[in-house]
Amino acid sequence: QQQVKQSPQSLIVQKGGISIINCAYENTAFDYFPWYQQFPGKGPALLIAIRPDVSEKKEGRFTISFNKSAKQFSLHIMDSQPGDSATYFCAARNQGAQKLVFGQGTRLTINP
Amino acid sequence: NAGVMQNPRHLVRRRGQEARLRCSPMKGHSHVYWYRQLPEEGLKFMVYLQKENIIDESGMPKERFSAEFPKEGPSILRIQQVVRGDSAAYFCASSPKGRAGRNSGNTTYFGEGSGLTVV
Repeated sequence: QQQVKQSPQSLIVQKGGISIINCAYENTAFDYFPWYQQFPGKGPALLIAIRPDVSEKKEGRFTISFNKSAKQFSLHIMDSQPGDSATYFCAARNQGAQKLVFGQGTRLTINP
Repeated sequence: NAGVMQNPRHLVRRRGQEARLRCSPMKGHSHVYWYRQLPEEGLKFMVYLQKENIIDESGMPKERFSAEFPKEGPSILRIQQVVRGDSAAYFCASSPKGRAGRNSGNTTYFGEGSGLTVV
């Protein structure tokens, strides 16, 4: 019940295209859903986050769509650029708890 | 304003030796977390600490692993009698204290990690 399932495992998108990564969860006590971006040899960096009281959050080219009834959320990267090539992790946190539960990660490659 | 600082960045240990990984949280942060990342996998929570207290160690292996966050100095993750399966990237993260001493959803910042290789 503490798992967060992420797909796809890897994704190749052409420059300028839309990258979409999906996550699903079971625990309805999760109340905070961040996305992290990780480059090789670096630590994860927070990209964007959402709470379940909104269905969408947009920051620049990055958008989170959240479907509370389906217990799913996704990251959309518009106008994908080669510099977006990285591993992306979705995560979730239990209300009142501190630890993050991470998805398995998606390795995104943007072809020029 | 330095971020989360981890050292060493890379550590090689022979089987049976001890590994000590250090983490200094961001300035003003009083919550520290340790996560482990195996190759091609996501991050797995290990332990959550505040100054001089272990708050949640539900992700820590029961044997050989310990963590501390003393009143003065960095947080330390210690792995005794390392085995090859301990080879991984170990990430420290920190977050500020929220109202009433609880983390009220503030951002968790990660360090660049310590890569442990057991040979």
